[in-house]
Amino acid sequence: GENVEQHPSTLSVQEGDSAVIKCTYSDSASNYFPWYKQELGKRPQLIIDIRSNVGEKKDQRIAVTLNKTAKHFSLHITETQPEDSAVYFCAASMRGGADGLTFGKGTHLIIQP
Amino acid sequence: DGGITQSPKYLFRKEGQNVTLSCEQNLNHDAMYWYRQDPGQGLRLIYYSQIVNDFQKGDIAEGYSVSREKKESFPLTVTSAQKNPTAFYLCASSIGRQNTEAFFGQGTRLTVV
Repeated sequence: GENVEQHPSTLSVQEGDSAVIKCTYSDSASNYFPWYKQELGKRPQLIIDIRSNVGEKKDQRIAVTLNKTAKHFSLHITETQPEDSAVYFCAASMRGGADGLTFGKGTHLIIQP
Repeated sequence: DGGITQSPKYLFRKEGQNVTLSCEQNLNHDAMYWYRQDPGQGLRLIYYSQIVNDFQKGDIAEGYSVSREKKESFPLTVTSAQKNPTAFYLCASSIGRQNTEAFFGQGTRLTVV
């Protein structure tokens, strides 16, 4: 089955700086790669996703890149703000997520004031 | 808020007892999912259902059972065969077609003593 590795497990950045979280996946058949943000005690919420026919996607301060050849994808957050502090999970799936998602172990992002 | 409701939020059970976690959605979604979250771990797929009266095992189905008698409901039973049942359980739903967002419930924290 699919295996997703996520790094780093903890990331501390100064407010206003950029943050990058990286994930690799094992199954070349995976075609859907969402990123979820989970604040303490709350449900995970989708922040951005990318499909295998696209190399990059942006939404305001958030961007995701996908390298299918190397089987890795990354989340980029620019101009970080205190409200960006949370745990971020990457995931991968075949069939666009219809059969469920395989998640990485998460990155705890800490924004230092 | 999100249209997917899990109850109760906290649940305590004695070892050896079966317990059922509730998940209800009013989003008219075809697909529903159960994930387990442990500290420092990503979410792991237990079971999923893409249509009423049909469900499939995920990556860690042993010791769990589900039913899907109604489109809106997907209850999860944690049986006494589950060796480490104490965890945070998250239910999710999606339209079910490829490349669609999964919406999560607030979760149920199960503690077995």
